[in-house]
Amino acid sequence: AQKITQTQPGMFVQEKEAVTLDCTYDTSDQSYGLFWYKQPSSGEMIFLIYQGSYDEQNATEGRYSLNFQKARKSANLVISASQLGDSAMYFCAMRDYTGNQFYFGTGTSLTVIP
Amino acid sequence: EAQVTQNPRYLITVTGKKLTVTCSQNMNHEYMSWYRQDPGLGLRQIYYSMNVEVTDKGDVPEGYKVSRKEKRNFPLILESPSPNQTSLYFCASSRRGTYSYEQYFGPGTRLTVT
Repeated sequence: AQKITQTQPGMFVQEKEAVTLDCTYDTSDQSYGLFWYKQPSSGEMIFLIYQGSYDEQNATEGRYSLNFQKARKSANLVISASQLGDSAMYFCAMRDYTGNQFYFGTGTSLTVIP
Repeated sequence: EAQVTQNPRYLITVTGKKLTVTCSQNMNHEYMSWYRQDPGLGLRQIYYSMNVEVTDKGDVPEGYKVSRKEKRNFPLILESPSPNQTSLYFCASSRRGTYSYEQYFGPGTRLTVT
């Protein structure tokens, strides 16, 4: 069974500081995709960043980077220079090798403190 | 504008009264999927569709039906809703074929079953 674990229900970070949101996953597949989504209080789901299981370089998208450690099955999201608008719920997700099934973690609520 | 739309956005209904939540996308995506989001549980996949007339169960399909008669539409049907189906529902779409494509989410439908 596939599983995504996010162990931090809530996190606080000072504005302009960096923060790491943890994500570990469990799969026996060799091929899979890892995603992070942001859900602000307005409720929509916003795609942030993607990492493929065969990608050797960590993915980066602006202030977001994904710290991918395949052997440890972890895919942590790093947000640099936090902004007040980063306050939201963040979900880690995995897409299986068929591309048909998606698995989400329980989310981490991030609060940026001015 | 590329988007996934859902209707209605909010719905309060009573136990046993059949309802349909519509989902439509304008991106010509083959893959579409439904999720429910509950506090502390993250998003869980209900059903997905790889293409017209091709659907399959996700992790929590009980009590739901879907159909995919047109590429752009993927309605979710609750034939006899129960209070435990009170939840926030998301429809999503993506290109299919590999695990590398991100999903585009609709705005969500908040359903309350009394």
